[in-house]
Parts: sequence; structure tokens; C-alpha cells
Amino acid sequence: GAGVSQSPSNKVTEKGKDVELRCDPISGHTALYWYRQSLGQGLEFLIYFQGNSAPDKSGLPSDRFSAERTGGSVSTLTIQRTQQEDSAVYLCASSLQGMDEQYFGPGTRLTVT
Amino acid sequence: AQSVTQPDIHITVSEGASLELRCNYSYGATPYLFWYVQSPGQGLQLLLKYFSGDTLVQGIKGFEAEFKRSQSSFNLRKPSVHWSDAAEYFCAVGPYGYNKLIFGAGTRLAVHP
Repeated sequence: GAGVSQSPSNKVTEKGKDVELRCDPISGHTALYWYRQSLGQGLEFLIYFQGNSAPDKSGLPSDRFSAERTGGSVSTLTIQRTQQEDSAVYLCASSLQGMDEQYFGPGTRLTVT
Repeated sequence: AQSVTQPDIHITVSEGASLELRCNYSYGATPYLFWYVQSPGQGLQLLLKYFSGDTLVQGIKGFEAEFKRSQSSFNLRKPSVHWSDAAEYFCAVGPYGYNKLIFGAGTRLAVHP
């Protein structure tokens, strides 16, 4: 079956602009996660959704970052007023439920110039 | 705080040689343990996981890992490496009741013909 998909695969944006990153989880997976992978920080957890609610947002680095999930499916990660330090690969994962193994998408490479 | 240590940043082996990648974790109880592999430009693929039971777990692509509680380790092994195994390998822990993964810094594996 289809895996986790993310779009766009690459995004180049100017400093100060807003960006939206999209994640389509595996059908039927109730849990969805966002991670960030950068050279300096490695792989970091950002946020966890169970259904449409986000019980754990502890990894969001600042209030410029937000995420939502609608219909228990698609999720959007929004970064406002992007900064150069936001340049990274943003990975989305889903699992059947929380505490199950996570399946990762290919990621969105964000470059802020 | 929970943490994962992968002591080897980069490892080079010859094709056909055996491989062991080290992983140590810091956590008050036995967490869920995972190994993921990431090929260039790709997302993360789950190789194997340990939740409980037999401490030697088998994964895909001929990999196995052994959980040693006394050493807080979960080392990944393969008896004979193939050139296609060249990639970056990440150890991760999911604390009991987890809703996120905590990753090690990764080990980049190069394979010489």
C-alpha cells in the first residue's frame, strides 16, 4: 500500500516568508509525528498528533512553528517568518496508534536564503 | 533526561566483512528500542525493533540486534555486509508510554569493495 507522502520534496524560500509543509499519513494511521533533521541538531521530535489533537507539542522550537491535522489524516506544518536556522529536512511519520512503530515519509528539504 | 549515544560517527568496512554498530541509551526503565536506516535523499526505514521478550531480534536485510539491559545497549549487527548497506544508521528509543522517538546522532557506514 501507499506509504507516508510529503510535499513539496524541496522548498526554497526567502528569509521572513511563511511556508507550509504537508504530510499525508498511511491510511488508517491515527498517530502522526513531525521531526526535523538538521546538521547541527540531528533528528529532533517536533509534535505528535493523535487524531486531530496534539497532546505533545513539546518539540516545537518557537511560536513561529505550528501544525494542524484535519480529518484525522493530512497534516500541515507551518513556519512563519522563516529564519536561516529553520533550514533542515522536515520528516513526517505515522503509526497505527501511539506507541506503535513509526513509518517515515521521504521528507521535505527546506532551504531558507 | 533520556538520551541515545552512538559512539561511532563514521565506520568503514569491506564488503563481506562483519559489522557491529553500537548504541547506548540512558533511561530509567527499559524503553522501546529501534534501528532505522537512511539512504541518501531518503526517509527513514525501520530495520528492527525491540519491545520485550527475546533480547536478540531479527530484522530486515539480514540485520539483527541484541538488547543488553546490564549495559543499556542495543547494538546492531550483520554477519556479512553488502555494498548496498552503505547508508546512515540511527538508533532510537521510545520511552515507555512513548509518543515520540529520541534518536542518536547516527553512524554513517561506508562499504569498500
